[in-house]
Amino acid sequence: GENVEQHPSTLSVQEGDSAVIKCTYSDSASNYFPWYKQELGKRPQLIIDIRSNVGEKKDQRIAVTLNKTAKHFSLHITETQPEDSAVYFCAALRFGNEKLTFGTGTRLTIIP
Amino acid sequence: GAGVSQSPSNKVTEKGKDVELRCDPISGHTALYWYRQSLGQGLEFLIYFQGNSAPDKSGLPSDRFSAERTGGSVSTLTIQRTQQEDSAVYLCASSPWGAGSNQPQHFGDGTRLSIL
Repeated sequence: GENVEQHPSTLSVQEGDSAVIKCTYSDSASNYFPWYKQELGKRPQLIIDIRSNVGEKKDQRIAVTLNKTAKHFSLHITETQPEDSAVYFCAALRFGNEKLTFGTGTRLTIIP
Repeated sequence: GAGVSQSPSNKVTEKGKDVELRCDPISGHTALYWYRQSLGQGLEFLIYFQGNSAPDKSGLPSDRFSAERTGGSVSTLTIQRTQQEDSAVYLCASSPWGAGSNQPQHFGDGTRLSIL
C-alpha cells in the first residue's frame, strides 16, 4: 500500500519568512496530493491540492510543487503570519483507490 | 447542511461499553469516509462508502468496529466493547464523487471519544 512520509515534524519560522514542508510517497500510481491545515481542536481544512498532470500550483501565499520522478511534493508558505500556526498534513491518493494516505503532520509555529 | 456534521462532539464512556458515532455529510456528496486521529498523530483511514457500492472496510482495526450508511446519506460508526486504545478523535469526511474523480474531501469537526 501507499506510504507517505512527512518532514519536518516541527518547524518554527520567524514571522514574514518562508516555510517549506516536504512529503514523499511510495506508490508511483498516486495522482492526487492534497494539503490540510488543522488548528488546535479544529477540523482539517483543505488549503491546496495538486494533481499529477501539473508540477506546481499557487494560491496567494501558498504553493505546492510536485516531482513525480522523485515521488515527492512540497508545501511552500511565503510571508508567514501568526495565523499560519497550525499542524499541516500532506496526503496522497491513487486513481481508483479512494483512501487518502496521510503524512504524520508538521507542527508549524510562526514566531512574532 | 453547509458542512459535514458529526455528533456527539464529545463522548466519554466506560471500557466495555458500545458507542455510536454519527456523521451527516454535505448534501449531495456521494462519498463518505471515516478516519481516526489519535493524540498528536496523523489520520488513519477506517472505512469508505461510495453510493450504493459495497463499502471499503479495509481500514477497520478489528471486528469490534462497524459502520453503515443509510439511504446514501447519514452514516453511523459503531464500536463494540470499547477499549482504552479506542480513545481518539473520529473524523468523518465527504466528497462529491468517488472513485477516479479525486475530489477534495471535506471534514467534520470530529467526535472526541474517551474510554475510561
